[in-house]
Amino acid sequence: GNSVTQMEGPVTLSEEAFLTINCTYTATGYPSLFWYVQYPGEGLQLLLKATKADDKGSNKGFEATYRKETTSFHLEKGSVQVSDSAVYFCALNLRTDKLIFGTGTRLQVFP
Amino acid sequence: EAGVAQSPRYKIIEKRQSVAFWCNPISGHATLYWYQQILGQGPKLLIQFQNNGVVDDSQLPKDRFSAERLKGVDSTLKIQPAKLEDSAVYLCASSLNSQGNEQYFGPGTRLTVT
Repeated sequence: GNSVTQMEGPVTLSEEAFLTINCTYTATGYPSLFWYVQYPGEGLQLLLKATKADDKGSNKGFEATYRKETTSFHLEKGSVQVSDSAVYFCALNLRTDKLIFGTGTRLQVFP
Repeated sequence: EAGVAQSPRYKIIEKRQSVAFWCNPISGHATLYWYQQILGQGPKLLIQFQNNGVVDDSQLPKDRFSAERLKGVDSTLKIQPAKLEDSAVYLCASSLNSQGNEQYFGPGTRLTVT
């Protein structure tokens, strides 16, 4: 079946550290890939997306590259801030609107 | 532009009771989604509406869950009777249409069943 696997958290970092949150997927077909972020007390927000192999999604200093050969879509940021503390969800859809989410990774950034 | 509104934000009920959640999508959005997010898991789609018609309800436990979107705008999700395992956050989302547009999520309703 179609699924998303992401690294368990929490990920704890100091401000200005480099961030990587791993995400791999299994899909029958060629999915679109997404990263959503959920700040405390708020709803999910789309952070970035990529719709085909080798596409790079980017937003707010975060980046992720659609790697078909490794079925991965790892999220990276060069220098995290305390305000980046949130739960990050990797997700896919297969040309429908049905999003399939991973379990989420909590990021905690300390000053 | 106002976002997706949901109410209540929190609800505590006893098992076997009934509960209803309400969602008001972004104005003009034809597609509406209800997701269930159990603690420690990602959201799971329960039902998707296109205007007032159901597009996908394959993961909705129809023996106890029901949802409607009578006028193609607001929607309600009902659970009757509730079970302990229904404790979760219920998220509503909307999108312009079913053509791969971005989904906008509401803040969710946190349900605790005791």
